[in-house]
Amino acid sequence: QAGLTQPPSVSKDLRQTATLTCTGNSNNVGYQGAAWLQQHQGQPPKLLFYRNNNRPSGISERFSASRSGNTASLTITGLQPEDEADYYCSAWDNSLSVVVFGGGTKLTVL
Amino acid sequence: EVQLVESGGGLVQPGGSLRLSCATSGFTFSDHYMDWVRQAPGKGLEWVGRSRNKAHSYTTEYAASVKGRFSVSRDDSKNSVYLQMNSLKIEDTAVYYCARLGNDPKDFQHWGQGTLVTVSS
Repeated sequence: QAGLTQPPSVSKDLRQTATLTCTGNSNNVGYQGAAWLQQHQGQPPKLLFYRNNNRPSGISERFSASRSGNTASLTITGLQPEDEADYYCSAWDNSLSVVVFGGGTKLTVL
Repeated sequence: EVQLVESGGGLVQPGGSLRLSCATSGFTFSDHYMDWVRQAPGKGLEWVGRSRNKAHSYTTEYAASVKGRFSVSRDDSKNSVYLQMNSLKIEDTAVYYCARLGNDPKDFQHWGQGTLVTVSS
């Protein structure tokens, strides 16, 4: 099953803005959008955004999500050391009836 | 507080079987879809399978990589979901997480801490 496409790594300076992308097709990201997950080393993933770009309670407003066509984006402003983590997107593929994940983006805050 | 606790992981030989359990608390289990997701050492997340709720007839879905070998089941009376893994392969080695989906949209709202399955001779 083809997964979603994410850049393997992104590096940004402290207090800068990072934008991570997630590209799929019309059967998954383009169908209902993509959710975003954050995973720190040795921890389970944590939901950052639902596929409708709504933020669960407790997630910092420095994080925002959007979608254009088959590409979803996660933007993090005012980068902090604790933002250094792996970020995954996920989507339901309506054609295959499976969940597809992106390969993950490792965000490094310099 | 929502809690999900996986158990049952361990070392198993190729071709062997293992049954993982995920005990939950803090929410109305019968209302929710439950998924299994795995993560091989140093790798990304891979979806394994899903158990829908009673309202959706407890139907299941599986990733192509495990279809025919793995089976997801649930017991609403015990607030638990299970993953029966048969014909295990070395490439099934991973941390296995159970996850509760939200009601709408159905995204991975809560995760357990995971249980490690190692397939090796």
